[in-house]
Amino acid sequence: DAKTTQPTSMDCAEGRAANLPCNHSTISGNEYVYWYRQIHSQGPQYIIHGLKNNETNEMASLIITEDRKSSTLILPHATLRDTAVYYCIVKAGGTSYGKLTFGQGTILTVHP
Amino acid sequence: GAGVSQSPSNKVTEKGKDVELRCDPISGHTALYWYRQRLGQGLEFLIYFQGNSAPDKSGLPSDRFSAERTGESVSTLTIQRTQQEDSAVYLCASSLVYNEQFFGPGTRLTVL
Repeated sequence: DAKTTQPTSMDCAEGRAANLPCNHSTISGNEYVYWYRQIHSQGPQYIIHGLKNNETNEMASLIITEDRKSSTLILPHATLRDTAVYYCIVKAGGTSYGKLTFGQGTILTVHP
Repeated sequence: GAGVSQSPSNKVTEKGKDVELRCDPISGHTALYWYRQRLGQGLEFLIYFQGNSAPDKSGLPSDRFSAERTGESVSTLTIQRTQQEDSAVYLCASSLVYNEQFFGPGTRLTVL
């Protein structure tokens, strides 16, 4: 699976959009971009995933560049409960099967 | 229905002892995963079960680690002759084919 690079930490004001970048310049054609987050002392939680089209669900939006070498997770109206470590993961195939390779992630702190 | 459950939530053991960690996946989920998370680190994949296929054991760090799964039900991760470097949170996840991995709350293992 391709390697991802994320900033170590980011801050965001409550109510504003949080834009979390991820670089995956070595991504291959059959690899999807997944985002999970981990709130302190809990197991990771799935957020969203995509292949090449932008995706949106009730939690977030995922914007993938045309060359697929980078992506941005957008939390449109961040709340204090969104404070967590956010992991960008690249994995082959569109199914959930197979291991997830977690990097260090981005520590997002949402402040009042 | 209930999510993924793990027991015990905390386990303190002495170096050299064996420990067993249990995971109860979401009912009907055919895939089950074990990950390890050391303090301040990302998750490390350990082992993955999918239906009746041979498990993917590629992440097990040594032959002291083993895991079993009964059908598509409960799984047990066993660590023999525990060492201090085995101290970590052990996370279990389960999934269906085209859905995300759902994680349990983890078992915090402390080896004295």
